[in-house]
Amino acid sequence: DARVTQTPRHKVTEMGQEVTMRCQPILGHNTVFWYRQTMMQGLELLAYFRNRAPLDDSGMPKDRFSAEMPDATLATLKIQPSEPRDSAVYFCASGLVPRGGRGNSPLHFGNGTRLTVT
Amino acid sequence: TQLLEQSPQFLSIQEGENLTVYCNSSSVFSSLQWYRQEPGEGPVLLVTVVTGGEVKKLKRLTFQFGDARKDSSLHITAAQPGDTGLYLCAGARSGGGADGLTFGKGTHLIIQP
Repeated sequence: DARVTQTPRHKVTEMGQEVTMRCQPILGHNTVFWYRQTMMQGLELLAYFRNRAPLDDSGMPKDRFSAEMPDATLATLKIQPSEPRDSAVYFCASGLVPRGGRGNSPLHFGNGTRLTVT
Repeated sequence: TQLLEQSPQFLSIQEGENLTVYCNSSSVFSSLQWYRQEPGEGPVLLVTVVTGGEVKKLKRLTFQFGDARKDSSLHITAAQPGDTGLYLCAGARSGGGADGLTFGKGTHLIIQP
């Protein structure tokens, strides 16, 4: 089965440090999403890309978060500097959106990166 | 902002019982998806409902989309311990989810043997 792969699975870091999370989407999928999950807020959309172009990052705190997709097999989410309130599980999901941007697009999630900022 | 409210937040029942969980919104969605998430893993898609009033069945799970496409329900018949997990509903903001999904906070379901 094709899977979305996320690394690292766990990350513990101190406040102020830079954190980079990586995602390998399913080959052939043209859309990549970054979500954050906490008990209080549930799953929140941070940003997404289509054909490697950023379409929406309005869910991200822009001063410290950045998302990139340097090539079709890699998406990254970076936090610099990290803060304790960033502690959460970060999920990457990929999907195949038909040309024209319409049609039901199930998301395939990775197993997440559990980030703890102390 | 389109919000999805899921109820109950937590549900613990005995094996063999039936249950229904709900997903409600004041907004209309083009489609709605249900996911199940197990500890340490990402959500996995169970079903997508698109048409108002649509009913889909997946073995012992029955999903219904409200006529006005604002709400949905998941009914499990004769629940099994393997049904334990976090059940999430997610509404498509537009175009069937191409622009991302809005998720509810989920129902934590525990089926006790």
